[in-house]
Amino acid sequence: DAKTTQPPSMDCAEGRAANLPCNHSTISGNEYVYWYRQIHSQGPQYIIHGLKNNETNEMASLIITEDRKSSTLILPHATLRDTAVYYCIVRVGDTGNQFYFGTGTSLTVIP
Amino acid sequence: GAGVSQTPSNKVTEKGKYVELRCDPISGHTALYWYRQSLGQGPEFLIYFQGTGAADDSGLPNDRFFAVRPEGSVSTLKIQRTERGDSAVYLCASSLSGGRSYNEQFFGPGTRLTVL
Repeated sequence: DAKTTQPPSMDCAEGRAANLPCNHSTISGNEYVYWYRQIHSQGPQYIIHGLKNNETNEMASLIITEDRKSSTLILPHATLRDTAVYYCIVRVGDTGNQFYFGTGTSLTVIP
Repeated sequence: GAGVSQTPSNKVTEKGKYVELRCDPISGHTALYWYRQSLGQGPEFLIYFQGTGAADDSGLPNDRFFAVRPEGSVSTLKIQRTERGDSAVYLCASSLSGGRSYNEQFFGPGTRLTVL
C-alpha cells in the first residue's frame, strides 16, 4: 500500500508562503494525492487533491512532480488560522476508499 | 447547511463496558466512514459504508468492534468489552458517494472515548 512521508513539524512566518513537502514514492498510477488539515480538537478538513497535474483552489496549490513520487502543498499567504496538522494522503485499497493518514506535518504560523 | 454530527462528544466508561457512538452524516451522502485517532497520531481507518452495507471493514481491530447503518443514514459504532487501549477520538466522515470516484470526505468533530 502506498504510504507518505512528511516532516513532523514546520514553522512559517505570517504572510509568507508555506510549502509543505510530501514523499509518496510507492504511489500507483491510478492513486490520487489528497491533502487534509486538522486544527486542534476538530475533525480533518479537505484542502485539495490531484492526480498528476498541478492544482489550485481558493485554499492552496498542489504541485506534483512529474514522476509523481512527491508533492508540495503551498499555502500562498499563511495566516495564524492556518496553524494545524497537515496530512498528505494517497488512496489505498481496491475499493479506493481507505485513507492512510500518517502522522502529518504540524505547521505553526508565527506572527 | 448542517455538517456531520457525532454524539456524544465525550464518553467516559469503565473497562469491560459496552458503548455506542453515533454519527449523523450530511443529508444525501451515501458513503460513511469511521476512523479512530489516538493522541499524536493521524486518523486510522476503521470501516466504510456505501448505503446500508459495509463495503470495507478491514480496519476494525477485532470482533469487539461492530458498526451498523440500517437505513443508510445514521450509523452507530459499537464497542463491546471496552479496554483501556480503546481510548481515542472516534471520527466519522461522509461523502456524496464512495467507490473509485473521488468525493471529498466531510468529517464530524469526533467522540472522545475514555476507558478507565
